[in-house]
Amino acid sequence: DAGVTQSPTHLIKTRGQHVTLRCSPISGHKSVSWYQQVLGQGPQFIFQYYEKEERGRGNFPDRFSARQFPNYSSELNVNALLLGDSALYLCASSASGTGYYEQYFGPGTRLTVT
Amino acid sequence: KNEVEQSPQNLTAQEGEFITINCSYSVGISALHWLQQHPGGGIVSLFMLSSGKKKHGRLIATINIQEKHSSLHITASHPRDSAVYICAVREQGAQKLVFGQGTRLTINP
Repeated sequence: DAGVTQSPTHLIKTRGQHVTLRCSPISGHKSVSWYQQVLGQGPQFIFQYYEKEERGRGNFPDRFSARQFPNYSSELNVNALLLGDSALYLCASSASGTGYYEQYFGPGTRLTVT
Repeated sequence: KNEVEQSPQNLTAQEGEFITINCSYSVGISALHWLQQHPGGGIVSLFMLSSGKKKHGRLIATINIQEKHSSLHITASHPRDSAVYICAVREQGAQKLVFGQGTRLTINP
């Protein structure tokens, strides 16, 4: 069974551009969470979606948005890119949105903003 | 002060040594995760626990809920254990994981 997949693997954008990152959860998982990991730091929570509804949002500006599709895959969109958005973006899926459920991480998308 | 603090931030040891990485947190939690991150970024979940102790191969994780503290131990360490080890907690009633800053472990042959 395939794990969590993310695309693209790497991405280079310039300031002011827009980017869309994609995540496919493990089959049967209904919850997807997005995290941003800046070099040298631990990941920071951006969003969680469960059953196509936003269930949590971290301390990120409105330039960041996300959605979850009927097949439970998810997109993270970032508008008006800034240099500080350069990071590894991680997606994690779990069977449920709350409580004691294992989270499985994808390989990440490394975004470089120049 | 971060909600999740790890120590040490960096650890270098010789092959075969017993390794301990510590994690302290300041909030009530429903679960604590220990994660491993290799260069390139991929994160692998090692343990999820809410009480007691878990063991998988040479890895042991313990948690003391009253003291809000967890430890990850590696016995008979090997160079392939070199990675960043991250502690993350899920707050009670919350949706998100809160991560520590990670411990960079280097095991020299």
